[in-house]
Amino acid sequence: GQQLNQSPQSMFIQEGEDVSMNCTSSSIFNTWLWYKQDPGEGPVLLIALYKAGELTSNGRLTAQFGTTRKDSFLNISASIPSDVGIYFCAGPRLQGGSEKLVFGKGTKLTVNP
Amino acid sequence: GAGVSQSPRYKVAKRGQDVALRCDPISGHVSLFWYQQALGQGPEFLTYFQNEAQLDKSGLPSDRFFAERPEGSVSTLKIQRTQQEDSAVYLCASSDYEQYFGPGTRLTVT
Repeated sequence: GQQLNQSPQSMFIQEGEDVSMNCTSSSIFNTWLWYKQDPGEGPVLLIALYKAGELTSNGRLTAQFGTTRKDSFLNISASIPSDVGIYFCAGPRLQGGSEKLVFGKGTKLTVNP
Repeated sequence: GAGVSQSPRYKVAKRGQDVALRCDPISGHVSLFWYQQALGQGPEFLTYFQNEAQLDKSGLPSDRFFAERPEGSVSTLKIQRTQQEDSAVYLCASSDYEQYFGPGTRLTVT
């Protein structure tokens, strides 16, 4: 199925470091969403972006909606051990009667204390 | 407050068995989605309900997959004659505007 392209696939960092990950698509999205998934749990929404060029922060997290509407970036500053998990970008696709979410394959983050 | 709950959390089925996975959405949420998440992948859309009406089932991989939401609340995803390729985590999400995900059911077909 259609998916967004996320990079990197995985990251291993030291506690306190900043992290940057991105997501690209061949088609335009009008909304970009960033989720975090912990082991054995469902994805939890971190940040939602609704406007091209928008920069939004949620605590140590900052995300940007690319001006082409085909990409988005997520930055985590001063990482801590509880940042460990898989980060997914997602965009809603209105198709066939529903606004289903299309997800990337995720970026797996490991933080070494 | 109560979030989306799913049961069972884990299910092991022998190939060929039928399984039923349950989703209890957040009370009052009209929209309900099912997604399938294979190992190492992002969730992929299966089907969508608005109240009791199944408006989109374009993501169901075969006619062995069937979903229902008869009273517009609890939903059940049924997989008949399970195959090994059905092994995955099945996520349910309910929505008012944002989609809230349950913890998923991990299905292993042996």
